[in-house]
Amino acid sequence: GQNIDQPTEMTATEGAIVQINCTYQTSGFNGLFWYQQHAGEAPTFLSYNVLDGLEEKGRFSSFLSRSKGYSYLLLKELQMKDSASYLCAAHFLTGGFKTIFGAGTRLFVKA
Amino acid sequence: DGGITQSPKYLFRKEGQNVTLSCEQNLNHDAMYWYRQDPGQGLRLIYYSQIVNDFQKGDIAEGYSVSREKKESFPLTVTSAQKNPTAFYLCASSNQETQYFGPGTRLLVL
Repeated sequence: GQNIDQPTEMTATEGAIVQINCTYQTSGFNGLFWYQQHAGEAPTFLSYNVLDGLEEKGRFSSFLSRSKGYSYLLLKELQMKDSASYLCAAHFLTGGFKTIFGAGTRLFVKA
Repeated sequence: DGGITQSPKYLFRKEGQNVTLSCEQNLNHDAMYWYRQDPGQGLRLIYYSQIVNDFQKGDIAEGYSVSREKKESFPLTVTSAQKNPTAFYLCASSNQETQYFGPGTRLLVL
């Protein structure tokens, strides 16, 4: 299988930094997506990492280690509107060019 | 505007009825996908298509069918064989570097 694992829930304080981890199986791996999904809405694209290292986009950054099958999403200067589910999804080349999603991490930002 | 559209936003199905969910994209993406999301759950892949006139089953294809006659369109039919169809259905399209989602269709069984 191509299991994608991420924590179920996290809680953080407004203005703080939070890191959401994701692990995946490396066989046939091509790249790693992160999405944000607010309740009742479709996922919104945040990032796609193919190469090792950290990519920064404003308050959000995403890191990838291909050899370890590991990624994380880093959210800085947390705001209340960041309360949402964050979906990690691995893009595989084997068995067709398809994307497999983790169950998502529900982030609660408190004042 | 470029993007992915899905219709309808809400769809009601009667017992034993087939229903078709529409998905259209004008992003010129080759690949298109259908996912199902149940409350509090992640996305599960139903079907995907890498190119026109070709598609593959995902992890939960039973009770569903698709077609890909045009690059822009990837409709999903929920057949009467799908015994638990109530869910949020999301269509997506992708190129090599990104995958975008449509707004989704909520299917409810009467």
